[in-house]
Amino acid sequence: QKEVEQNSGPLSVPEGAIASLNCTYSDRGSQSFFWYRQYSGKSPELIMFIYSNGDKEDGRFTAQLNKASQYVSLLIRDSQPSDSATYLCAVSKGYSTLTFGKGTMLLVSP
Amino acid sequence: DTGVSQDPRHKITKRGQNVTFRCDPISEHNRLYWYRQTLGQGPEFLTYFQNEAQLEKSRLLSDRFSAERPKGSFSTLEIQRTEQGDSAMYLCASSSTSSDYGYTFGSGTRLTVV
Repeated sequence: QKEVEQNSGPLSVPEGAIASLNCTYSDRGSQSFFWYRQYSGKSPELIMFIYSNGDKEDGRFTAQLNKASQYVSLLIRDSQPSDSATYLCAVSKGYSTLTFGKGTMLLVSP
Repeated sequence: DTGVSQDPRHKITKRGQNVTFRCDPISEHNRLYWYRQTLGQGPEFLTYFQNEAQLEKSRLLSDRFSAERPKGSFSTLEIQRTEQGDSAMYLCASSSTSSDYGYTFGSGTRLTVV
């Protein structure tokens, strides 16, 4: 079992819809959870982090964490074509190194 | 503050040659990380420095790889006797010790071994 699993996609949504990206992790000792966005040919860009169970909102983005189910999700409201990218889920056990999933490609069509 | 800077952006080398990459972190960040990303994969941890001390190395970092951060500022990653399997994006990131809100990555160095 991989440490961090994501559906590779692509996930296709129409402009204005809600995109839901999911991630599961295997290590119950994981403490911090991150979502990065990566455009093709570019480096990853941090968009959200979450430590506690529940929801965390930042603009159009909402991160959701359920430690009991070992599940992290990212919701993108009012999706825009500029949101089309690969979204990487990453987890940390508190020692600063991050373990990344393979990423989910999101395609937002106009 | 211009962010994490990596040089060169692209490197094409012949198999068996040595290559060296440089990373300049955000100035107030004490922690510096190297990751490698191949096509279709997420970044994979290679090594981590706090100031000038190399605190952790992945098993991915074979004997052909060496990283330094001599004065706790910039870092170099050297790959000796490159192999085609070394072709990847090499990413550097930095963070501060006072918080753990994730990394700021540089633009990366794309290595192609031919």
